[in-house]
Amino acid sequence: KAGVTQTPRYLIKTRGQQVTLSCSPISGHRSVSWYQQTPGQGLQFLFEYFSETQRNKGNFPGRFSGRQFSNSRSEMNVSTLELGDSALYLCASSPTRGSAADTQYFGPGTRLTVL
Amino acid sequence: GQNIDQPTEMTATEGAIVQINCTYQTSGFNGLFWYQQHAGEAPTFLSYNVLDGLEEKGRFSSFLSRSKGYSYLLLKELQMKDSASYLCAVRPPDNYGQNFVFGPGTRLSVLP
Repeated sequence: KAGVTQTPRYLIKTRGQQVTLSCSPISGHRSVSWYQQTPGQGLQFLFEYFSETQRNKGNFPGRFSGRQFSNSRSEMNVSTLELGDSALYLCASSPTRGSAADTQYFGPGTRLTVL
Repeated sequence: GQNIDQPTEMTATEGAIVQINCTYQTSGFNGLFWYQQHAGEAPTFLSYNVLDGLEEKGRFSSFLSRSKGYSYLLLKELQMKDSASYLCAVRPPDNYGQNFVFGPGTRLSVLP
């Protein structure tokens, strides 16, 4: 089975711009979560989608949004970029939401640099 | 809420044994996971504990004590390739608001 894929892998933007990141989960996985990782803050939860519905949202401003499509692929969007948005954005998929033993499988991430 | 603590950095020698501790304070608990993350790469799953005790997987073992809110990851026969960050993550109750809460990670350096 192919793993979680994320595109693009690297992105450079300037302040004020917007960006869209894409994530394709492992085939058959229906839950997709997004995380922001920075050296100072570690892995911070952004949101989780399951069956095209946002189930949970972390403590991030409304500039951060996402969606999930019927094939479970997910996108996240960040509008009006700020310097502090520079980070590694990780997507993780898992088969379901119901089993506590379901681990998450991470994609390689998108490295976003805001200048 | 959920609060997870890990040491920031550790150093060990090739061939040695190292124990990475994780303490957590949670309002509920559905399991604890350990992940390994090499620099510039995605985290990869190492182990899962939901009951008290030791889970062994080759050179890696993970221990959990739910009453103490404590876990550790034990790495034996250290190799240079084990230099990485190790993330402890708690699975909170279903109504918490997110599936996983991650600790800050412990950066392990293995020296020759």
